[in-house]
Amino acid sequence: SQQGEEDPQALSIQEGENATMNCSYKTSINNLQWYRQNSGRGLVHLILIRSNEREKHSGRLRVTLDTSKKSSSLLITASRAADTASYFCATFSSGSARQLTFGSGTQLTVLP
Amino acid sequence: DAMVIQNPRYQVTQFGKPVTLSCSQTLNHNVMYWYQQKSSQAPKLLFHYYDKDFNNEADTPDNFQSRRPNTSFCFLDIRSPGLGDAAMYLCATSRGDMVPTDTQYFGPGTRLTVL
Repeated sequence: SQQGEEDPQALSIQEGENATMNCSYKTSINNLQWYRQNSGRGLVHLILIRSNEREKHSGRLRVTLDTSKKSSSLLITASRAADTASYFCATFSSGSARQLTFGSGTQLTVLP
Repeated sequence: DAMVIQNPRYQVTQFGKPVTLSCSQTLNHNVMYWYQQKSSQAPKLLFHYYDKDFNNEADTPDNFQSRRPNTSFCFLDIRSPGLGDAAMYLCATSRGDMVPTDTQYFGPGTRLTVL
């Protein structure tokens, strides 16, 4: 089964609102990464949070990590129509140094 | 300034007819990956190369093969495509020397249709 599971599966909000997506994982990790995928395109790396970090910011993105609960959240503030995409969390598989395992993804739609 | 290039962007093949997808990179990264992504699903790793060292995922069908003739290029060969192989195929690269904080750079993908 996948290392990461995300919820919600789909999220629809109005432009200007905040969007929060959650990710849960099963095994211990060194870090957790978030990627964005526009429809029909490749994935783009957004942000990486290490296991010893609790929160990280990058522009309008805020990521939190709770290793005790094996969960992470991605917050996009002041959303824009251009933020419409699928968002995936990803972790390195247990015992692997290079193989990322992706969560199931959240499809975010930002309505103008 | 494209960094990971995939050709073609769209590929149509017939059931059972071999097809090759290509990926090239200008990043000089050590690691190249091939993922399969079906509609509304997460990317699934098929295999990866660290330099010339090939690493196959345990559940990757034998129908899928890969070649990496040099640092810049990597190919995905599907020997006998079935209808279930219709998907987006994503190529990605990473430096490989920043583990465990390595991030991956993805190409735009090749959408494969099997008729």
